[in-house]
Amino acid sequence: NAGVMQNPRHLVRRRGQEARLRCSPMKGHSHVYWYRQLPEEGLKFMVYLQKENIIDESGMPKERFSAEFPKEGPSILRIQQVVRGDSAAYFCASSQRPQGVTYNEQFFGPGTRLTVL
Amino acid sequence: AQKITQTQPGMFVQEKEAVTLDCTYDTSDQSYGLFWYKQPSSGEMIFLIYQGSYDEQNATEGRYSLNFQKARKSANLVISASQLGDSAMYFCAMREGRIQGAQKLVFGQGTRLTINP
Repeated sequence: NAGVMQNPRHLVRRRGQEARLRCSPMKGHSHVYWYRQLPEEGLKFMVYLQKENIIDESGMPKERFSAEFPKEGPSILRIQQVVRGDSAAYFCASSQRPQGVTYNEQFFGPGTRLTVL
Repeated sequence: AQKITQTQPGMFVQEKEAVTLDCTYDTSDQSYGLFWYKQPSSGEMIFLIYQGSYDEQNATEGRYSLNFQKARKSANLVISASQLGDSAMYFCAMREGRIQGAQKLVFGQGTRLTINP
């Protein structure tokens, strides 16, 4: 009964390189959220995806960041040409299909800690 | 405008005492949800408790209870009989947005709770 899985747990990149973060949702969950946590801050929403669809990317930086959730396989958050300011913890959460306005718990993964040198 | 405000950056409490962590929120929605998460030093996000805006009773989960005062827009977390293992960061969060049922969470800045033996 695996929960939300994220890998890698720790990722070190040099400035200018690309970072790929992967998230496998809980079994039966078709909705994925990505959040970023800067040091000593709360989590900030980045993007919400369903399978093969980006539903809300209002929290995504306009450049260098992209996300996908293909029909098969994990969700990927991709950061191109990383800069030091991208150093943060990136959390993925998954949920079942939301039912109207009722509560649908988001289960969080353990996060990926990205360090940009 | 900040939607979730946690005014206590840090709190120190003696073991076995009760502790209240403050959270105020701002929304014009009639339907919303409020969450508390715990983040220990290991970094994972642990769901503690949920309160829906239409719930008439305050939510309780074991030693956790949520003091929900709708008119004041506050949702304070109360931990009874604190334990050393309660030392962690605590985040208040609000569900907002209903784009196709999207339930992205908005987090506060967090309160670092330290339990002293």
